[in-house]
Amino acid sequence: QSALTQPASVSGSPGQSITISCTGTSSDVGAYNYVSWFQQHPGEAPKLMIYDVSNRPSGVSNRFSGSKSGDTAYLTVSGLQAEDEADYYCYSYTASSLWVFGGGTKLTVL
Amino acid sequence: QVQLQESGPGLVKPSETLSLTCTVSGGSINSDNWSWIRQPPGKGLEWIANIYYSGTINYNPSLKSRVTISIDTSKTYFSLLLNSVTVADTAVYYCARRLVGSSRMDVWGRGTTITVSS
Repeated sequence: QSALTQPASVSGSPGQSITISCTGTSSDVGAYNYVSWFQQHPGEAPKLMIYDVSNRPSGVSNRFSGSKSGDTAYLTVSGLQAEDEADYYCYSYTASSLWVFGGGTKLTVL
Repeated sequence: QVQLQESGPGLVKPSETLSLTCTVSGGSINSDNWSWIRQPPGKGLEWIANIYYSGTINYNPSLKSRVTISIDTSKTYFSLLLNSVTVADTAVYYCARRLVGSSRMDVWGRGTTITVSS
């Protein structure tokens, strides 16, 4: 069971949009619509931002959106704000009835 | 709303067994899936295991030989045992709730820091 592949870092200026990719295989991301994205600030527990590919929990800003194409899921953050600076992790169900995280992406707001 | 609180020993010696408990409050443990996740210092998240209240269990293959997850529905907590620990098991351990039939893992504990050292 290999971790999903995410870029180590992405950056953007306030007001811009960024997209983080999460690449898996046809046995996980590509096979199921069970992909979540978590935001984690230093010293804090992860926070759910997107679930089931594109659903946003109540209370999460609509600047966050999720999508999927083939074996890759995407998290887009629009209108970047300083408080968006954090680590982001994707998470997916797999064909073995297991779950796997991505390696994480550090988002820097310039 | 549902809240989770991890508890653990803080410090464990190499080769010993780590025992963690996650107490569920504000809701019923008799539904949903309950998970353990860990994060070594400066590293990413690693899914360890999950258990459905009815007893269905799944383990990360890389840890399966050393891990046991269990649930006590009468006392509203679930637990994790990790045996033969090494320094590589040093991490913050989180418990979390995931809704059945979804990737919605929306409730997390604050995490408990476990250090493996002699």
